[in-house]
Amino acid sequence: DTGVSQDPRHKITKRGQNVTFRCDPISEHNRLYWYRQTLGQGPEFLTYFQNEAQLEKSRLLSDRFSAERPKGSFSTLEIQRTEQGDSAMYLCASSLAGTKNTEAFFGQGTRLTVV
Amino acid sequence: QKEVEQNSGPLSVPEGAIASLNCTYSDRGSQSFFWYRQYSGKSPELIMFIYSNGDKEDGRFTAQLNKASQYVSLLIRDSQPSDSATYLCAPGGNTGFQKLVFGTGTRLLVSP
Repeated sequence: DTGVSQDPRHKITKRGQNVTFRCDPISEHNRLYWYRQTLGQGPEFLTYFQNEAQLEKSRLLSDRFSAERPKGSFSTLEIQRTEQGDSAMYLCASSLAGTKNTEAFFGQGTRLTVV
Repeated sequence: QKEVEQNSGPLSVPEGAIASLNCTYSDRGSQSFFWYRQYSGKSPELIMFIYSNGDKEDGRFTAQLNKASQYVSLLIRDSQPSDSATYLCAPGGNTGFQKLVFGTGTRLLVSP
């Protein structure tokens, strides 16, 4: 499978615990995006990498959220001290940089439930 | 003003009809436009993209772009029940960093 891969697919955690999600982009893609989606809403931008550089982080993202892409390949998104409001689908997407915005392809997502 | 506006629907059409989905955006510098389809509980799936004013056709889908009016639409001809999903509009940005900003999506229901 050469698509975007996310792990785990589902995560249930207790409030206050830390969670970490992983995203493996399409191999030749140098851009990687994280989005969050709640029921009835479109995906909300969280952060973006080009290669290993994190170029933008949403102002909506609290300090409890951190993302890394250490070698410019896979990325991790960590949420510390989870809250019930963090329950959502976390989506990763990747694309190839070009002179125009090239197509971004999404992974299957990680559904987080904070209880 | 929201960056991307879509009618949340649901938009109900009978099987075989043309479904017309509309989207307006606020960033006048947007250069690229993407339509994603999202089935309930699944991740978004890219179905069309358009960069230039005018129409772009791909099978039963036609994307229409009017940059002067900041308007992009998606037409689905011969709608099928399997087209029932939420359709997300996403303009790309106008800078070197081009994140996608999504609307809330329009829910389409195609009845047999």
